[in-house]
Amino acid sequence: GQQVMQIPQYQHVQEGEDFTTYCNSSTTLSNIQWYKQRPGGHPVFLIQLVKSGEVKKQKRLTFQFGEAKKNSSLHITATQTTDVGTYFCAGPASFGNEKLTFGTGTRLTIIP
Amino acid sequence: DAGVIQSPRHEVTEMGQEVTLRCKPISGHDYLFWYRQTMMRGLELLIYFNNNVPIDDSGMPEDRFSAKMPNASFSTLKIQPSEPRDSAVYFCASSFSYRGNKEKLFFGSGTQLSVL
Repeated sequence: GQQVMQIPQYQHVQEGEDFTTYCNSSTTLSNIQWYKQRPGGHPVFLIQLVKSGEVKKQKRLTFQFGEAKKNSSLHITATQTTDVGTYFCAGPASFGNEKLTFGTGTRLTIIP
Repeated sequence: DAGVIQSPRHEVTEMGQEVTLRCKPISGHDYLFWYRQTMMRGLELLIYFNNNVPIDDSGMPEDRFSAKMPNASFSTLKIQPSEPRDSAVYFCASSFSYRGNKEKLFFGSGTQLSVL
């Protein structure tokens, strides 16, 4: 079945440093979504990418969808303590499928 | 809107007991999903419904798990009998489809289940 892997699994950064997490799917995706889960919380939707090579920005967050639509990345510039949490990518199990397969997640901790 | 509402927030039970988790999706949403989250297996989709009809239950671990959605505003996930390995956080999520495209998931706060 479809597998969605993320690296790294954990990332500890000094406040103010940049952070990047990478997402790789075993299958081509029609779209990819990103979610953030704060410690003890629930996943919260951040963004959806649909087009090959698409890049979207949300303030300090930059999301990219690969040309082959099998990988994606999330980059945070100048991390802040509010960025702490686990970041998940998620993609449909197959084209037109409503099932979302979540990636393994990258847990970000910030050293003040 | 209050968002997706799950109850209880925490459940502690003994092995062999029946456990029922409840979910109220966001009004107007036509999809409902049950996920389970553990450290070892991450976020796993158990089952999902479209317009109250179960579409895919291939993620349900075994016959001890069952889910129902009697109407558009309520769903239950039942475990009978419960086992220690069922201990996890169970999330309910809902979404709506617009022009055939499914939109983002809205998650509830989850139920932390501990089976002793």
